[in-house]
Amino acid sequence: AQSVAQPEDQVNVAEGNPLTVKCTYSVSGNPYLFWYVQYPNRGLQFLLKYITGDNLVKGSYGFEAEFNKSQTSFHLKKPSALVSDSALYFCAVRSRSNDYKLSFGAGTTVTVRA
Amino acid sequence: DAGITQSPRHKVTETGTPVTLRCHQTENHRYMYWYRQDPGHGLRLIHYSYGVKDTDKGEVSDGYSVSRSKTEDFLLTLESATSSQTSVYFCAISEGRGQNEQFFGPGTRLTVL
Repeated sequence: AQSVAQPEDQVNVAEGNPLTVKCTYSVSGNPYLFWYVQYPNRGLQFLLKYITGDNLVKGSYGFEAEFNKSQTSFHLKKPSALVSDSALYFCAVRSRSNDYKLSFGAGTTVTVRA
Repeated sequence: DAGITQSPRHKVTETGTPVTLRCHQTENHRYMYWYRQDPGHGLRLIHYSYGVKDTDKGEVSDGYSVSRSKTEDFLLTLESATSSQTSVYFCAISEGRGQNEQFFGPGTRLTVL
């Protein structure tokens, strides 16, 4: 079985400070990993994904994520947070051996204060 | 949300009534999915489709059925709605499996009284 854990329900940061949203996963074999963002009353928007290769993945809106195989983590980061980054963030994993199913974490609410 | 529409966007219904939600895409993607979103659970897959008339169950399929008669349309039916099916329902599409990301519609908020 595959699963995703987002250990923090909420993350609060001041504008201009670094933002980190944590994600750990469990899957058999090598994973495909994804980050999505959801703004209020909207659908999920794709931010970035890890497929293979470079462990540091860059995505939309200045976000990046680092894949760490030994720690089975895929933390989302942004060097300088904006108030407009306040949203709900989801990490998701898919196994390469069962590549229909995409499993989501419960989500982390990010609040960036001015 | 571009290229994916869901209808209705909001619906209130009563226990025991059938409900059908529609997802329509203009991207010509092969794969379509139905998820439900509930607090503390993230998104959970209900059913998915890998082509016209080709569908399969997800992890929370009990009480739901789907149909796909055209590439662009994927219907989700609650055969006899229950209060536990009160949720926000999202449709998603993707070009392929594996490394392909999914793109999500705007969602349908369903309340079953």
